[in-house]
Amino acid sequence: ETGVTQTPRHLVMGMTNKKSLKCEQHLGHNAMYWYKQSAKKPLELMFVYNFKEQTENNSVPSRFSPECPNSSHLFLHLHTLQPEDSALYLCASSQELYETQYFGPGTRLLVL
Amino acid sequence: ILNVEQSPQSLHVQEGDSTNFTCSFPSSNFYALHWYRWETAKSPEALFVMTLNGDEKKKGRISATLNTKEGYSYLYIKGSQPEDSATYLCAQNSGGSNYKLTFGKGTLLTVNP
Repeated sequence: ETGVTQTPRHLVMGMTNKKSLKCEQHLGHNAMYWYKQSAKKPLELMFVYNFKEQTENNSVPSRFSPECPNSSHLFLHLHTLQPEDSALYLCASSQELYETQYFGPGTRLLVL
Repeated sequence: ILNVEQSPQSLHVQEGDSTNFTCSFPSSNFYALHWYRWETAKSPEALFVMTLNGDEKKKGRISATLNTKEGYSYLYIKGSQPEDSATYLCAQNSGGSNYKLTFGKGTLLTVNP
């Protein structure tokens, strides 16, 4: 257990659906991250939040909308996704930026 | 562009064998190198973070070395066990305002009993 939980673990959605991924960290960390891993590709950073403020948007399409209501919770709102968005989405947190990141188990997303 | 390369892509060893794999990274503007162990359906687990040239870290049967001048890190596993089977990821972040981690694709290790 890393202290970072993600729900749901698996999600199937149609291209017209709206869904949200949730991440919660119980470590008292100040920074939270969303990563995407597509098949046969490395983990790719999507968004970074530090003290609830977004500090990084790595050119992510607007159909992905992050939300960080407090330092312990991070959401990724999904709408009108494409089949190529099917991937594993991982959340991570760290005490401060630059420090070791602790990952959740990920949400496996399939877009039909 | 920051590219982190790992080799081999996959590796099969017998229980009891010792093994090692490589992470290569650009040596300019280096800040830190991270190793993670990722078992299927679980969270990636942080193994080591290394910052200084010549650093050597050890955790049980697993150890890692770092050469920042030539841009590589080795991960060693002594006496591999089936429970060591996992994907081993390395990631680099550079200094300054770039706190982003750039990951390699990983080395998938399978230890056969």
